[in-house]
Amino acid sequence: RKEVEQDPGPFNVPEGATVAFNCTYSNSASQSFFWYRQDCRKEPKLLMSVYSSGNEDGRFTAQLNRASQYISLLIRDSKLSDSATYLCVFDTGTYKYIFGTGTRLKVLA
Amino acid sequence: SQTIHQWPATLVQPVGSPLSLECTVEGTSNPNLYWYRQAAGRGLQLLFYSVGIGQISSEVPQNLSASRPQDRQFILSSKKLLLSDSGFYLCAWSTGTGELFFGEGSRLTVL
Repeated sequence: RKEVEQDPGPFNVPEGATVAFNCTYSNSASQSFFWYRQDCRKEPKLLMSVYSSGNEDGRFTAQLNRASQYISLLIRDSKLSDSATYLCVFDTGTYKYIFGTGTRLKVLA
Repeated sequence: SQTIHQWPATLVQPVGSPLSLECTVEGTSNPNLYWYRQAAGRGLQLLFYSVGIGQISSEVPQNLSASRPQDRQFILSSKKLLLSDSGFYLCAWSTGTGELFFGEGSRLTVL
């Protein structure tokens, strides 16, 4: 099983839509989980951390399911500016951070 | 506040030439430091990480090397570049318990 699996997309959605991404991981020792956003030809930037109880930041909701070993990101009321690649990230318990290949989102007018 | 600087931003090098990319972090001490590479249209590949001065862990065997001569300085090098070394190189730091913070990246084209 791959260390992390993420649907590459692209997800093409109209403005205002709700879209969800999942990311599965194989390392049960992982303790920290994140979603990053990467714009074209730029460095990744932290979107939000993912906590066991789930967390929300405005239109964005992140959840962790340890039993099934996946994290999810929900974006409500999509904006054109949400168009980007979304990367899931988790630690391996030994200082290393592993990135998913990213899911491309295009929000259409 | 903490900042991370990475340079050069862009470089074009011939095959077989040497490489040196430099990264420095300010505003924190004893950070964990990382080098990632992103090939065009691909995900981030961890190349090296360091948890202290002189301590380098290599993730992928290749013709690249890394050094950490000072607490907040991380250098990526190559003696002879290959075409396959082209990509977007990203330096990052963390405290070890939280998220990664990235530099703006160095875009390398090997011709």
